[in-house]
Amino acid sequence: DTGVSQNPRHKITKRGQNVTFRCDPISEHNRLYWYRQTLGQGPEFLTYFQNEAQLEKSRLLSDRFSAERPKGSFSTLEIQRTEQGDSAMYLCASSPLGFGELFFGEGSRLTVL
Amino acid sequence: KNEVEQSPQNLTAQEGEFITINCSYSVGISALHWLQQHPGGGIVSLFMLSSGKKKHGRLIATINIQEKHSSLHITASHPRDSAVYICAVDKLIFGTGTRLQVFP
Repeated sequence: DTGVSQNPRHKITKRGQNVTFRCDPISEHNRLYWYRQTLGQGPEFLTYFQNEAQLEKSRLLSDRFSAERPKGSFSTLEIQRTEQGDSAMYLCASSPLGFGELFFGEGSRLTVL
Repeated sequence: KNEVEQSPQNLTAQEGEFITINCSYSVGISALHWLQQHPGGGIVSLFMLSSGKKKHGRLIATINIQEKHSSLHITASHPRDSAVYICAVDKLIFGTGTRLQVFP
């Protein structure tokens, strides 16, 4: 078990470009969460999945953001037409079914120029 | 007012001191998490609790469901404890964290 894996770890892009982040959770974990964290702030919830079903989305998740977990394993978070305000660390976490302990990935840092 | 409030926001201590970080929440919860984040590092789960008290090494976490309050205690603090400590409820709502610095 290698823990929760996220890639890329860093992404620098120009405003208006699309970016995609991938999260590979711990293999037996049913729940997968995406969060966003800006400097000096705590993580903000974006969305979460139970298996392949997206159960909740934050109001923070505008139309430019989409997340998928097609086979209930890895997940992707895509940001279209990036804006400078999207610059943040995007964190993924997984947990067993039910409100179990959270396991976080190292995060994917996005910088939009 | 945030649904999860932590205090203090910043805390400095001398090595060996007993440290307490507080978390108050205003929503009903099924579980509360204490998390640790080192500068530039990932987030590590310290405790998940829904009642009572848990202890792991020098760390102790307590929760009072009726008062909607939790505390994280660090006994015999050490410089390697320097990090941001984050309280979160039900995985969806996070506090803004408490930045702890322990000096030798």
